Amino acid sequence: DQQVKQNSPSLSVQEGRISILNCDYTNSMFDYFLWYKKYPAEGPTFLISISSIKDKNEDGRFTVFLNKSAKHLSLHIVPSQPGDSAVYFCAASLKYTGNQFYFGTGTSLTVIP
Amino acid sequence: GAGVSQSPRYKVAKRGQDVALRCDPISGHVSLFWYQQALGQGPEFLTYFQNEAQLDKSGLPSDRFFAERPEGSVSTLKIQRTQQEDSAVYLCASSPKFPGQGKNTEAFFGQGTRLTVV
Repeated sequence: DQQVKQNSPSLSVQEGRISILNCDYTNSMFDYFLWYKKYPAEGPTFLISISSIKDKNEDGRFTVFLNKSAKHLSLHIVPSQPGDSAVYFCAASLKYTGNQFYFGTGTSLTVIP
Repeated sequence: GAGVSQSPRYKVAKRGQDVALRCDPISGHVSLFWYQQALGQGPEFLTYFQNEAQLDKSGLPSDRFFAERPEGSVSTLKIQRTQQEDSAVYLCASSPKFPGQGKNTEAFFGQGTRLTVV
C-alpha cells in the first residue's frame, strides 16, 4: 500500500524554466515531508523539507509547497539548470511516533540545455 | 569520513549464498536505518536502530534478513540463503536525532550496496 505517490515518472524542462514535481500522500498523520535528489549510482541526497505547520519553505532555487487539505506537496525549481537532472523522491514521516521515512517512487527530471 | 559509508558497493551472490552488508554511519548519529530499493522503485524501510537497540524491524521481508548494530555505531545487514528477489540496492541512512526528540531532521544516506543474486 503506497502511502506516498509520485504519479509522474518523468519530466523534461528547458533550462531556465520552472520545474514542478508533485507528490500526494494518503496518511493524514504524516507531518514532516522531505525531498531527496538522487544521481545514478549514488545514494539519495537531502534537498529540502517542510513541517506540517507550514505551507511553504524556500531554499534558494528550491521551494516546497504543502497543501494539507489536499494531501499534496510540490517541489518548484526555478530557474532549472542542467545539473538538476536527477531522480527526485518525495518522502514523509510521522513526527513523534515514526521512525521511518515513506518514499514515493520518484520522478526523473531532465533539464534540457 | 564525513558521510555515511557502505561496503561493498557491489555484491554478486549465487542463490543460496549468505551475504553481509556493512554500514558506517556519520559519527555520533543516534539513529540508523536500512532501506531496500528495487529497480524503478523508491526506498522501502527495512529496520531502525536507536544506538544499539533495534527498535523496529517491521520492514524485514523474511527471517532470512537480520541486522545488528552491537556497539551503536557500525551496522551490518545480513541476508541468509539469498534469493533472486533479494536483488536490490540496500541503502543505509543515519540521523542525529531519534523520533520524539523534538524537531524533525533529515536522514543522511550512503551510496548503497547493489546486490545481484544470480
